[in-house]
Amino acid sequence: GQQVMQIPQYQHVQEGEDFTTYCNSSTTLSNIQWYKQRPGGHPVFLIQLVKSGEVKKQKRLTFQFGEAKKNSSLHITATQTTDVGTYFCYNDMRFGAGTRLTVKP
Amino acid sequence: GAGVSQSPSNKVTEKGKDVELRCDPISGHTALYWYRQRLGQGLEFLIYFQGNSAPDKSGLPSDRFSAERTGESVSTLTIQRTQQEDSAVYLCASSFLTVYNEQFFGPGTRLTVL
Repeated sequence: GQQVMQIPQYQHVQEGEDFTTYCNSSTTLSNIQWYKQRPGGHPVFLIQLVKSGEVKKQKRLTFQFGEAKKNSSLHITATQTTDVGTYFCYNDMRFGAGTRLTVKP
Repeated sequence: GAGVSQSPSNKVTEKGKDVELRCDPISGHTALYWYRQRLGQGLEFLIYFQGNSAPDKSGLPSDRFSAERTGESVSTLTIQRTQQEDSAVYLCASSFLTVYNEQFFGPGTRLTVL
C-alpha cells in the first residue's frame, strides 16, 4: 500500500480554538479511516469514510472525504483538553505520519 | 477475551538476544496486523495475516524479523539478534474479515534493547 501524506505534524492550540488535520494521496483511495492515539495509549478507531464527498460528524468532530477520493480531513470545533493526542489517517495497511495535537487550557 | 491482548507488556533484552512477542486477537477476527512505533513516531506497518497466511510481509525491516500465526488465532513476532534500533513499542491489531474494517489494537509490547 502507498502511504498517505498527513499534515501538519504538530498543532498546538488554545482551548476553544479549532483544529484541522489533512491527509492527501496521489492515487484514488478506496476508503479512509481515522484513528486517535492518546499519549501512552494505543490507536482507537474513530470513523471510516467510503463515498466520494462524504461528510460525517461525531459531536465536535467533522470528517470529510474529497470528491476525487484523494484527500480527507478531520476538523475539531472548539477543542477541549480531552482532544489531546495524535490523530492518524489510514488506508490499505498504511498509516499517515499523524498530527500531534496539544491543547493549552 | 473482550479485546486484543499482547504479552509481555514490557521486555528488556540485551543486544544480540532473540525475543518473541505474542498477540491474541479478538476471537473471530481473521485479519491480524503487526506495527512498530518508535518513541514519538508514527505507526510502521510490519506484516499482515489473513487467517494463517501472510499475504503482505513487505514491512518487515530485515530477515531478523519473522512472524507466524497458528489456528487463525495467536500470532508471534520474533526478532532475532536484537539491535538497539529495534527498541520500540510493537502493536498488534485485528479486524473482522478484511483490511477495510475497523482495526482493534492491543496495548502493545514495549521492547528495550540495551
